[in-house]
Amino acid sequence: ETGVTQTPRHLVMGMTNKKSLKCEQHLGHNAMYWYKQSAKKPLELMFVYSLEERVENNSVPSRFSPECPNSSHLFLHLHTLQPEDSALYLCASSQAGSPTGELFFGEGSRLTVL
Amino acid sequence: QKEVEQDPGPLSVPEGAIVSLNCTYSNSAFQYFMWYRQYSRKGPELLMYTYSSGNKEDGRFTAQVDKSSKYISLFIRDSQPSDSATYLCAMRHGSGNTGKLIFGQGTTLQVKP
Repeated sequence: ETGVTQTPRHLVMGMTNKKSLKCEQHLGHNAMYWYKQSAKKPLELMFVYSLEERVENNSVPSRFSPECPNSSHLFLHLHTLQPEDSALYLCASSQAGSPTGELFFGEGSRLTVL
Repeated sequence: QKEVEQDPGPLSVPEGAIVSLNCTYSNSAFQYFMWYRQYSRKGPELLMYTYSSGNKEDGRFTAQVDKSSKYISLFIRDSQPSDSATYLCAMRHGSGNTGKLIFGQGTTLQVKP
C-alpha cells in the first residue's frame, strides 16, 4: 500500500450508531489531519495531529472524537451523529516543517447519516 | 466575508480551450498559494504551488498570484477531457503554520471532447 488509505470508503449509519473511520499513511509523515468536505462548501479542517499530539480542534462537536495512536494511524470515532454530518471525510498527512506544507489526501470516507 | 472566494461553477468548455480559474481572498497575510485538483471519488492532489507573487508554469498549467489585488489564477492551455475535475485553491500564512490551509469551495470543470 502506498500513500494515504482510508477505510471504509462508504458508511451508512443511523443517528444512534457508533462507528469509526480509519486512516493510515505510508509516507513517513509526522502530521495527520481530518477534513470534512460538503457539497458546495470549502474543505473544513476538523483536527490536526502533529507528532501524535492534537494541535488543532476547530470547534468540532463532541460527537466526533479523534484518536492518533501513532504517526501512521488516525481514527475518527463517530457517535450519535446528525443528518447534517453526512459528508465526505478526508484524511491527509504532511511533513511538518516542509517548505510547501503539501497535504497528501486519502480518497475519503463517504458518510451518510439516516 | 469568506477568507477565500471561489466560483463553484460548473464550468464547461470544449476540448482545446484555454481555461481560467480564479480565487480572491481577503487576508493579506497569505503567502503560500496552491491549486489542488480533485477527480470524482478521489481525494485532492497538489497541482501547483506558488510562494508570494508572480507566475509559475508547469506544462499546460500556469499559476498566477497578484497579492496587490488579492487574486490568484490557474490557467490551463489546450484543455483535455482528462482535465475534467474540481479545482480547489488553497492558501496559508507564512508564519510556520504548516499545513493549515484555507481552501476555496472548488470550481468544477468539464472539458467536452
